[in-house]
Order: sequence, then C-alpha cells, then structure tokens
Amino acid sequence: GAGVSQSPSNKVTEKGKDVELRCDPISGHTALYWYRQSLGQGLEFLIYFQGNSAPDKSGLPSDRFSAERTGGSVSTLTIQRTQQEDSAVYLCASSFAGELFFGEGSRLTVL
Amino acid sequence: QKEVEQNSGPLSVPEGAIASLNCTYSDRVSQSFFWYRQYSGKSPELIMSIYSNGDKEDGRFTAQLNKASQYVSLLIRDSQPSDSATYLCAVPLYNFNKFYFGSGTKLNVKP
Repeated sequence: GAGVSQSPSNKVTEKGKDVELRCDPISGHTALYWYRQSLGQGLEFLIYFQGNSAPDKSGLPSDRFSAERTGGSVSTLTIQRTQQEDSAVYLCASSFAGELFFGEGSRLTVL
Repeated sequence: QKEVEQNSGPLSVPEGAIASLNCTYSDRVSQSFFWYRQYSGKSPELIMSIYSNGDKEDGRFTAQLNKASQYVSLLIRDSQPSDSATYLCAVPLYNFNKFYFGSGTKLNVKP
C-alpha cells in the first residue's frame, strides 16, 4: 500500500482480555516502530525492529506487552490481560532514511 | 531530565503572525532533528528535518538548530488557522533505533 496500515482502527475490550494490534509498514522500509500516545500526551516509545536484528524492547511497559515482526514486514503488538491504564492510541511507524511515517493508529479502550 | 523537552502550550498567535516553537534535548551527540505536526485525532506527519547548525527554510517554515545550546526551534511565518495543531520535536539516537519525542506544543492560530 501507499502508507502504513494499522488495524483495527478502534478496539474496545474488557479488562483482562488479550488484544492484538497489527501494523503493515510501507513496502521496503526495514525499520518499524511502535509508540503509545495517551490522551493529550506525547509519544511513548515501545519497541523498534530493524531488519533481522534483535528488536529493541526497552520501552515495553510490562511483560504483558509483546511484539513480533514476521518476514521483516507485518508486525503484531500483543497486550495480555489488558488493564484500564493500557487505554491509548497505539501508533506504528516505518522508517526510511531516518524519517518516520506513521499509520493512523489503533485506539484501544479498556473498560 | 527528559530526553526532549517542549513547552506544552497552548501557544496562541493571531493569523499572519510568526509562531515560534522551541525544543531542547539532552543528548549532546544527537545529529538529526525532526519536527512533526499532529492535528487533533490524527497521526503525526513530518514537516521539517534539520541536521546542521543554523537555519533551514521550507516555505513558511524555518527550522533553527544550535547544537552548542542543544536547542532546536521551528518558526512558522504568516501563521494560518490551518496551522493550528500540536507540534512535536523528535530526536533519534545516533543509530536511529529510538526516536525520542517531546510532549508537543499546541498551537492555536486565531483568525
């Protein structure tokens, strides 16, 4: 596709359920990032993938969060046993020449 | 100290005025700097990048960098109501594996 694609655009879930968020980066972009943005706040780094290198997971807030990237392309962010504080917009970005291109985000609401 | 700091605003300017947005960063070895614009409910989009000390102009936008002072700014000339948005400063680590974002400055341009 022409841009970074994320799904679902909106997800409402109950506390304690698991959720999966998907990101399809721009073709040819080897770097992929996940960020979280709470209402009215800045972007919080979660995880970074670069090619076949081990991902930088230093921003994941707890062990309930995990992410994988298959075949160097599509990435999935998984949140287990969701909590209300996980409610936020999860943004995926792919990168070329140091510039980030963001998807439209997945808005997660945990009831 | 946060890696990237910005005044949260809001910064209000009248239409046609110059808007000045400021950002400081903590990592002295940072080499590249980016400004993103984020409209309410939308994802960030890149508007300017700067790598060298001094000014870089692109249309109504001018980015200014002072590495000695660890300071980067964005000037918007002839501000328009359509410029009303949150402006995010982003500074990557030297190998681009993690972009640090400021919390953003909200700009209101009043007609």
